[in-house]
Amino acid sequence: EVQLVDSGGSLIQPGGSLRLSCAASGFTFSTYDMHWVRQPTGKGLEWVSGIDTAGDTYYSGSVKGRFTISRENAKDSFFLQMNSLRAEDTAVYFCARMSNWLDSFDLWGQGTTVTVSS
Amino acid sequence: QSALTQPASVSGSPGQSITISCTGTSSDVGGYTYVSWYQLHPGSAPKLIIYDVHKRPSGVSNRFSGSKLGNTASLTISGLQAEDEAEYYCCSYAGSSLWMFGGGTELTVL
Repeated sequence: EVQLVDSGGSLIQPGGSLRLSCAASGFTFSTYDMHWVRQPTGKGLEWVSGIDTAGDTYYSGSVKGRFTISRENAKDSFFLQMNSLRAEDTAVYFCARMSNWLDSFDLWGQGTTVTVSS
Repeated sequence: QSALTQPASVSGSPGQSITISCTGTSSDVGGYTYVSWYQLHPGSAPKLIIYDVHKRPSGVSNRFSGSKLGNTASLTISGLQAEDEAEYYCCSYAGSSLWMFGGGTELTVL
């Protein structure tokens, strides 16, 4: 089955760090760009970060310098290392696959919840 | 970067048609054909329903259609059904490998 399974969300104190994981199955993971998108409670979707097949990385302005995206093709997985977490980072984080034509997010994980609170 | 502008909510009766707008700028919606739309039911993963402004992925009902004029993209759902009740988000490429989503529109089927 073609799917993404994201994990790693939890309750974390402000200033803390957390690593999210996304495991892919059912497709050739190494040939796809992968992304993280989040949805803060009661708010809309927000693109967070992406990594292409060459390993080049991209970040939204709100997380640049604090979050790091990476991938491990041998394990069909990619990750989001989140440092210096803030209350405004509280959200459901979705991992997503970029389509082969680099024009849309055609496969999504079910989401993992990150809560930043003391 | 600000989110693309969508109406907060729309509603319609079963069988009717509704249209959701998504307004950006010439740097995103108006500058690229990479506009997509997603359906989000509570507790579920987002589902791609329109890509490249007007194309439908395999398996998506032809009741969903997309268009774009200038800096505004639109999603039209015809023949509304109860199962269409969900949140809908537009998304656009914004250059430099960055992406932007709309604020989301809650569709209520009366």
